[in-house]
Amino acid sequence: GAVVSQHPSRVICKSGTSVKIECRSLDFQATTMFWYRQFPKQSLMLMATSNEGSKATYEQGVEKDKFLINHASLTLSTLTVTSAHPEDSSFYICSARGGNGEKLFFGSGTQLSVL
Amino acid sequence: GQQLNQSPQSMFIQEGEDVSMNCTSSSIFNTWLWYKQEPGEGPVLLIALYKAGELTSNGRLTAQFGITRKDSFLNISASIPSDVGIYFCAGQGANNLFFGTGTRLTVIP
Repeated sequence: GAVVSQHPSRVICKSGTSVKIECRSLDFQATTMFWYRQFPKQSLMLMATSNEGSKATYEQGVEKDKFLINHASLTLSTLTVTSAHPEDSSFYICSARGGNGEKLFFGSGTQLSVL
Repeated sequence: GQQLNQSPQSMFIQEGEDVSMNCTSSSIFNTWLWYKQEPGEGPVLLIALYKAGELTSNGRLTAQFGITRKDSFLNISASIPSDVGIYFCAGQGANNLFFGTGTRLTVIP
């Protein structure tokens, strides 16, 4: 089956630093990728949708200058949390949808802890 | 973002019992999906429903896409300890996927 690889799985950083999370579709071309954030014991909340080669569409309340998304190729999207603060600590999950548009495959998530 | 209402929030059941959870939305969705998430992992797709009224099974799991396209339920029959986890429904619109609030399932051996 289709595989989405997300890296790193865990990152601990100091407040004020930037963190980049990668999401790769390993055996299919992902025309659309989604980024979610999940706080402990809560549901996944969609942050943004990115289409290859175009600007990401952010959900209301998500700061586009803080959460930079790049989807430069059909197999890679990155989320950069700029100037991270403790309140940004969360579980970030990406998902990718292939050309047929029917199924969504999820990465294994990145646990971000900002000290 | 939009969120779907899922109930119950948590369940504690004995091994062998059947489980039922449901999901409702104020919006219509073209596709309903059910996922299971284990700690520290991304969600894994269990069942996908593409048509209103559709009833689909995957082993001990059965899910239905409501006629109004605003709700869905998931049943798990004869639960086993490895069924523990958090189950999420998700509604897929034109280009977005929105998740339910989750049901945390604990199976007591």
